[in-house]
Amino acid sequence: AQSVTQPDIHITVSEGASLELRCNYSYGATPYLFWYVQSPGQGLQLLLKYFSGDTLVQGIKGFEAEFKRSQSSFNLRKPSVHWSDAAEYFCAVGGQAGTALIFGKGTTLSVSS
Amino acid sequence: GAVVSQHPSWVICKSGTSVKIECRSLDFQATTMFWYRQFPKQSLMLMATSNEGSKATYEQGVEKDKFLINHASLTLSTLTVTSAHPEDSSFYICSAKRETIRYEQYFGPGTRLTVT
Repeated sequence: AQSVTQPDIHITVSEGASLELRCNYSYGATPYLFWYVQSPGQGLQLLLKYFSGDTLVQGIKGFEAEFKRSQSSFNLRKPSVHWSDAAEYFCAVGGQAGTALIFGKGTTLSVSS
Repeated sequence: GAVVSQHPSWVICKSGTSVKIECRSLDFQATTMFWYRQFPKQSLMLMATSNEGSKATYEQGVEKDKFLINHASLTLSTLTVTSAHPEDSSFYICSAKRETIRYEQYFGPGTRLTVT
């Protein structure tokens, strides 16, 4: 079955500390992988995406993610978290034919001062 | 480029009434649009796939007679929630597929529906 697992429901990180959000996927075909961020009451903002090529992907706001096919993972990282990064983060997978995305349940990031 | 809008951004309606939500691709044509639903503090779940000029494809468990989808043009899809009930209160998000090399999808800002 096709699915996305985000093992961490809630993570708290100190401001300035590094961050890693985990994402594992199960997909029958070549996956397209995405990370979105959502602030309360707002829509989705695309942070970064992976289609092919270099497995380390750079995104907006200083985020990066690494695709590891052998581990079926696409973890999101940021070297230094800012208070404004507090939000909900969703990992998603889709297919090359432009099928609808399958989302993980999300990880809530809190940033402490 | 690649902007998707939704209207309204929020709506309150009374139980038993119907409400229409519009999803527009502003600067590209989209033969396919998707409708998702998000309950508070939960993930996005696909409701249906909307194809221009044809009937929508609904996911299992989604009532097609309750959630009417019309994709009448290459830039507009509408979702009508008929005979709304409080349990239909949710955040509805659409996405439009842009057929470039990689069929990228672009999400609208969402519509908050509250049924009283």
